[in-house]
Amino acid sequence: AQSVTQLDSQVPVFEEAPVELRCNYSSSVSVYLFWYVQYPNQGLQLLLKYLSGSTLVKGINGFEAEFNKSQTSFHLRKPSVHISDTAEYFCAVTPNFNKFYFGSGTKLNVKP
Amino acid sequence: EAGVAQSPRYKIIEKRQSVAFWCNPISGHATLYWYQQILGQGPKLLIQFQNNGVVDDSQLPKDRFSAERLKGVDSTLKIQPAKLEDSAVYLCASSTPSRDRGRANYGYTFGSGTRLTVV
Repeated sequence: AQSVTQLDSQVPVFEEAPVELRCNYSSSVSVYLFWYVQYPNQGLQLLLKYLSGSTLVKGINGFEAEFNKSQTSFHLRKPSVHISDTAEYFCAVTPNFNKFYFGSGTKLNVKP
Repeated sequence: EAGVAQSPRYKIIEKRQSVAFWCNPISGHATLYWYQQILGQGPKLLIQFQNNGVVDDSQLPKDRFSAERLKGVDSTLKIQPAKLEDSAVYLCASSTPSRDRGRANYGYTFGSGTRLTVV
């Protein structure tokens, strides 16, 4: 079985500051890892994904994430956030690109 | 490319009433999924269709929830009767066959969802 833990339900940060959203997962099989963003009243938009190869992956809007197999983590980072990054972020894993297992989400609140 | 279409966007009903949601996947996507996203939680898969057949409905509360995908295209999800705890956003997603996994979104696209409030 797979599970995803997002340790922070809310992260307040000032504009132009760096941010890290944490994600840890548990799985008995190999999984692929994803980060999605959800703006208010909208669906899920893919930010980035790790499938194989380099453990540092870059996504849209200046976000990046690093896969750490030994720590079973896939933390999301951005060096300088903007007001427009205010949204809820979901970490997800899938073993087979069918069923996705999502974390409970982290609300990023960027303050001016 | 048109996205996954869902309707209605919002629905408010009283408990014990019935409700139905509609999803039109991206053209050519053989696989369709319904997820339930309760406030404060991540989406949870309810049911997965491959064409018009059910692949996985292990998390679907079958005593009150039902879903169908006639002709392997559009899908409807029904709740009858609704309970207060069914208040959630219901997301539909569709995906492409394996050979299209090279696309940027890996061929897995979510709709905007239907927000259901049961009072």
